[in-house]
Amino acid sequence: DADVTQTPRNRITKTGKRIMLECSQTKGHDRMYWYRQDPGLGLRLIYYSFDVKDINKGEISDGYSVSRQAQAKFSLSLESAIPNQTALYFCATSDSTAGANVLTFGAGSRLTVL
Amino acid sequence: QKEVEQDPGPLSVPEGAIVSLNCTYSNSAFQYFMWYRQYSRKGPELLMYTYSSGNKEDGRFTAQVDKSSKYISLFIRDSQPSDSATYLCAPKGSNFNKFYFGSGTKLNVKP
Repeated sequence: DADVTQTPRNRITKTGKRIMLECSQTKGHDRMYWYRQDPGLGLRLIYYSFDVKDINKGEISDGYSVSRQAQAKFSLSLESAIPNQTALYFCATSDSTAGANVLTFGAGSRLTVL
Repeated sequence: QKEVEQDPGPLSVPEGAIVSLNCTYSNSAFQYFMWYRQYSRKGPELLMYTYSSGNKEDGRFTAQVDKSSKYISLFIRDSQPSDSATYLCAPKGSNFNKFYFGSGTKLNVKP
């Protein structure tokens, strides 16, 4: 099984619908992140969480919300999806006790908003 | 000015070539310099990283950092078709909680 698991892997939805992307990890890392990837723009941070009680906005948090249900679970919600939220979304984890704090990514969730 | 600039490519080379991938950055506080490799339809995976200036070698891969010019390089020797992927540079500071990613360079190694 993958260390960082994202569901669903692919989702097509309509404008205005509520969407939740889920992420779970078995690495025991304390930090979790949500990124989106768009062609030519690279990876941009949406939200990050350093523990269950600590949630922080990233550079592009508008239109998104998150929930850290447990140390191993971090979900991303789009309350009312719009077409420019069509992107590839990645969950990542890291270990704050390791100096470099290297990110481990999931396989991604491809979201299409029509 | 973007924190990290990276030529998007695509870069196409024949098998066996030496490949040079590069990034520039603007924040002099960056201390860790990561390179991630992303295959099509997969998540990025850490290839290697260096701390502060200098070189680090791992098999066919060499990461190089020149902090005076804020320039990051990844060299691939004897490139293989299996190296075909997008390579992302990602510097960060030791006290920062945020990673800054380049947009990625797409590499195609032709057999």
